[in-house]
Amino acid sequence: QKEVEQNSGPLSVPEGAIASLNCTYSDRVSQSFFWYRQYSGKSPELIMSIYSNGDKEDGRFTAQLNKASQYVSLLIRDSQPSDSATYLCAPQDAGGTSYGKLTFGQGTILTVHP
Amino acid sequence: KAGVTQTPRYLIKTRGQQVTLSCSPISGHRSVSWYQQTPGQGLQFLFEYFSETQRNKGNFPGRFSGRQFSNSRSEMNVSTLELGDSALYLCASSSWTGKGETQYFGPGTRLLVL
Repeated sequence: QKEVEQNSGPLSVPEGAIASLNCTYSDRVSQSFFWYRQYSGKSPELIMSIYSNGDKEDGRFTAQLNKASQYVSLLIRDSQPSDSATYLCAPQDAGGTSYGKLTFGQGTILTVHP
Repeated sequence: KAGVTQTPRYLIKTRGQQVTLSCSPISGHRSVSWYQQTPGQGLQFLFEYFSETQRNKGNFPGRFSGRQFSNSRSEMNVSTLELGDSALYLCASSSWTGKGETQYFGPGTRLLVL
């Protein structure tokens, strides 16, 4: 079983719609959760971090975390063509064996069409 | 603050050669992590350094090594290059936020092994 699984893509949404990106993780000790956006040919860019159960909003982005279900999601409201990218989910465990290590999902390719 | 910088940005080598990649973290960040990104395997953790000490290592052969200097700059070295080492090599620096360590990625070094 993969450690981090993201909804298979590609995901295509019309401009102005809500894009929903999902991620499940297998390690129950994961404490920190990050969403990165990666444009083609570029490096990952941090969008959101979330540490507690519930919702966290930042502009058009909302991250949702449910540790009991081992599930984290990212909602993008009012999607724009500039949001078209690969979105990477990355949980991080607490503890010494996880220093500096993010375990990434395979990514979900999002396309926002005008 | 200036972001994470990596040099060189592009590199072409032949099988059997060795290569050294450099990373300068964000000012004040003491942790530097290295990742390899390939289309087939995605983003995979190589190793992490903090205060000149390797604290964590991923599942890569011993041909992959790294070090960190007293100014937190880091280098990684790959010896006896193989075709499969062609990848985007990413460096990320991080700092403790009180809730977790947030990693910020550099632009990457794209290595092509012929």
